[in-house]
Amino acid sequence: QSVLTQAPSASGTLGQRVTISCSGSSSNIESNFVCWYHHLPGTAPKVLIYRNTQRPSGVPDRFSGSKSGTSASLAISGLRSEDEGDYYCAAWEDSLSGWVFGGGTKLTVL
Amino acid sequence: EVQLVQSGGGLVKPGGSLRLSCAASGFSFNTYSMHWVRQAPGKGLEWVSSISTGSNYLYYAASVKGRFTISRDNVNDLLFLQMSSLRDDDTAIYFCARAGGTIFGVAHNWFDPWGQGTLVTVSS
Repeated sequence: QSVLTQAPSASGTLGQRVTISCSGSSSNIESNFVCWYHHLPGTAPKVLIYRNTQRPSGVPDRFSGSKSGTSASLAISGLRSEDEGDYYCAAWEDSLSGWVFGGGTKLTVL
Repeated sequence: EVQLVQSGGGLVKPGGSLRLSCAASGFSFNTYSMHWVRQAPGKGLEWVSSISTGSNYLYYAASVKGRFTISRDNVNDLLFLQMSSLRDDDTAIYFCARAGGTIFGVAHNWFDPWGQGTLVTVSS
């Protein structure tokens, strides 16, 4: 059972906008920054969003992050086939003095 | 080019030990905190351990505390994870990762980039 809760799966068609949600609590998401990672099996995970809303250089502006209270969201617009894979949210957990990840959302592009 | 190259994975029996290494290049290693994250077969990402720039602050997941030790060599730009009393549920791909920023502490940072991952299999 992950500390951060994500839906196990999501899907969308090419060009569509999808949103992936991450639910936490006052000791993680509400009081700390959220980041989002994209992971394809057999490869190294890649950061998409850090500090709630910031995009590293090289990440397309189709990806955007937001946070409100104890929840955070990752939005992907103009869905492309290469967006398939697993998406994870992460945040620092004050009560554990450590990082926690969501269980991951597997995105399928139809 | 920023690179993290991992080594040291393999097959080990329950109760055994293994040391993972992560060789860093392309950046000032001693100015970034470093991290280990793992992924068990069929499972999601799980944070394992973090270390501050000068090794003053060490953080561990409850599942590995007392069994794993994180360390770094700022002279040779190396990160280590010494794993002992290994259990079946430690079987996973282990990734090393650099902090994304230098001015933020471990708790306010992010993981970027990641190493290629190394498989640790604990089985009799």
